[in-house]
Amino acid sequence: AQSVTQLGSHVSVSEGALVLLRCNYSSSVPPYLFWYVQYPNQGLQLLLKYTTGATLVKGINGFEAEFKKSETSFHLTKPSAHMSDAAEYFCAVSEWSASKIIFGSGTRLSIRP
Amino acid sequence: EAGVTQSPTHLIKTRGQQATLRCSPISGHTSVYWYQQALGLGLQFLLWYDEGEERNRGNFPPRFSGRQFPNYSSELNVNALELEDSALYLCASSPEIAGCDEQFFGPGTRLTVL
Repeated sequence: AQSVTQLGSHVSVSEGALVLLRCNYSSSVPPYLFWYVQYPNQGLQLLLKYTTGATLVKGINGFEAEFKKSETSFHLTKPSAHMSDAAEYFCAVSEWSASKIIFGSGTRLSIRP
Repeated sequence: EAGVTQSPTHLIKTRGQQATLRCSPISGHTSVYWYQQALGLGLQFLLWYDEGEERNRGNFPPRFSGRQFPNYSSELNVNALELEDSALYLCASSPEIAGCDEQFFGPGTRLTVL
């Protein structure tokens, strides 16, 4: 069965600092992996996704994530945090034959001035 | 291109009543998904409709039900409302049944049960 674990329900970084949001998954077959962002009072928006090919995936707003099969991880990073990055971030996993995407519990990112 | 739309934006009901939430997918998308986002519980999968049929449902009681219309829009019905049903209900659509496809989310309907 698929599952997603996001380490840390709340992460706080200073503006300009590195952002690292951790995600580990469990899947019996090669997974498809996603990061979504949710700004206050809005729906979710796709940041990036990994399907096949290059394991380093670049997304919108300067975010990127690396698929590491040996570590079953798909951590999200951004070199320099901006105040506008404050939001809730969700990691998700699915499989080709899957009928649904499994979401992690979310990580709230706060940016300190 | 218009995104996923949901109505109403906010809905206030009392315990025991019924709530109906509506979703219009992106044009050309045949799959519609419903999620419940309750405070502190993350995103919980509720239902998936494709081509008018229910394809899968999450671990929710039968009083959560829905349907998909021929134009691919969808309704979520919640009967016998309970206080813990208070949550943001998100609808998403995708173009086809494929696990690699991203889901496009609407802004949600915030249901408050008093």
